[in-house]
Amino acid sequence: ETGVTQSPTHLIKTRGQQVTLRCSSQSGHNTVSWYQQALGQGPQFIFQYYREEENGRGNFPPRFSGLQFPNYSSELNVNALELDDSALYLCASSLDVIGADTQYFGPGTRLTVL
Amino acid sequence: RKEVEQDPGPFNVPEGATVAFNCTYSNSASQSFFWYRQDCRKEPKLLMSVYSSGNEDGRFTAQLNRASQYISLLIRDSKLSDSATYLCVVRNYGQNFVFGPGTRLSVLP
Repeated sequence: ETGVTQSPTHLIKTRGQQVTLRCSSQSGHNTVSWYQQALGQGPQFIFQYYREEENGRGNFPPRFSGLQFPNYSSELNVNALELDDSALYLCASSLDVIGADTQYFGPGTRLTVL
Repeated sequence: RKEVEQDPGPFNVPEGATVAFNCTYSNSASQSFFWYRQDCRKEPKLLMSVYSSGNEDGRFTAQLNRASQYISLLIRDSKLSDSATYLCVVRNYGQNFVFGPGTRLSVLP
């Protein structure tokens, strides 16, 4: 396994609610990226955190926000949930923003919005 | 146009067949290239990086054509365990990874 963990594994929410997803990166990795994967599509980049600072963001609205903690674990928060937010949310950790071309994915959190 | 495009699939092939996946990317500044494999309801896992000179790992061969902005993956002697979705991924230096939509492969007995 990759050593990247995510919680919870599954989550069911209703429209308008807020959700927090968590990711623990592989030991020693200081960079965490979050992706959204809708059914039948490839993962779409949400944002990346490097040493507790946001370092790049994809085409997602501000209601998608995140944090990275001093131990490099990370949270993804989504406010005002919409039906289209139903997806698999993946986090991936890597050692360094610039040099690392290898990222390790966690098992994902499957979010269903009703 | 999407930044990374792949054969739409699905590909259904018999065991032992050779199958090729194609991928094109639009950003000429892309510098790193990969193939990932994703099993049903699981996370993506790195299958192999793709180098300019082409590279091989057992039954898997990857090719890159920078001039045409084209990447390929060839699987020889397909096994049932090769059934998965294959994701083409590109990256600019220091930037985020961009995934294609994936091509699903089913190897049939």
